[in-house]
Amino acid sequence: QVQLVQSGGEVKQPGASVRVSCETFGYTFISYGINWVRQAPGQGLEWIGWIAGYDGVTRLAHKLQTRLTLTRDTSTGVAYMDLRSLTTDDTAVYYCTRELGTVGGIWQYDYAYWGQGTLVTVSS
Amino acid sequence: EIVLTQSPGTLSLSPGERATLSCRASQSISINSLAWYQHRPGQAPRLVVYRAASRATGIPDRFSGSGSGADFTLTISRLEPEDFAVYYCHQYGDSPTFGQGTKLEI
Repeated sequence: QVQLVQSGGEVKQPGASVRVSCETFGYTFISYGINWVRQAPGQGLEWIGWIAGYDGVTRLAHKLQTRLTLTRDTSTGVAYMDLRSLTTDDTAVYYCTRELGTVGGIWQYDYAYWGQGTLVTVSS
Repeated sequence: EIVLTQSPGTLSLSPGERATLSCRASQSISINSLAWYQHRPGQAPRLVVYRAASRATGIPDRFSGSGSGADFTLTISRLEPEDFAVYYCHQYGDSPTFGQGTKLEI
């Protein structure tokens, strides 16, 4: 079955960078895009970016465009999120998610499958 | 950016009762891009409804979605204990956004 397994929690100092990986199982990796969503403590869900499985095209949340990079390795089925110049506001649980796919001939970009989440803590 | 406003912020009900959650968009959106997610503490969010009214795989039929244009509703007909969670509406237009969430509590 479809599974997304994320890397473990990270503790970083302000100004540092972090990489979170998302290893996928149970489907053809290049056929679906991966979205990344985060939740800061006590806050709601926030979409931060998307990467196409087929060609690696990305769309990033405007507020993170200068600090966020999304990549993927099609040979291993792993997606990566790199966030630079961390601040305490980046402390959050980060999730990777996979698109639902085609339903009734229409591609649905809804987040049907989720990783378990990775807590990134930014603290001095 | 499309803003989604959910109401109420908190909904206090008992098992067996009916829950009605509202999501209003700042502009009209395609029903194909409106979804609802359930988020329990310590777990990853779960897709409940997509395309405004289609239940995701494994979601019981007590959950139903409706609406069009800028107003959407998630209804849970008879609450079960496991339904108490935070629910988010979401749209994936040019810049995906979530509502701020409705906490459904006992």
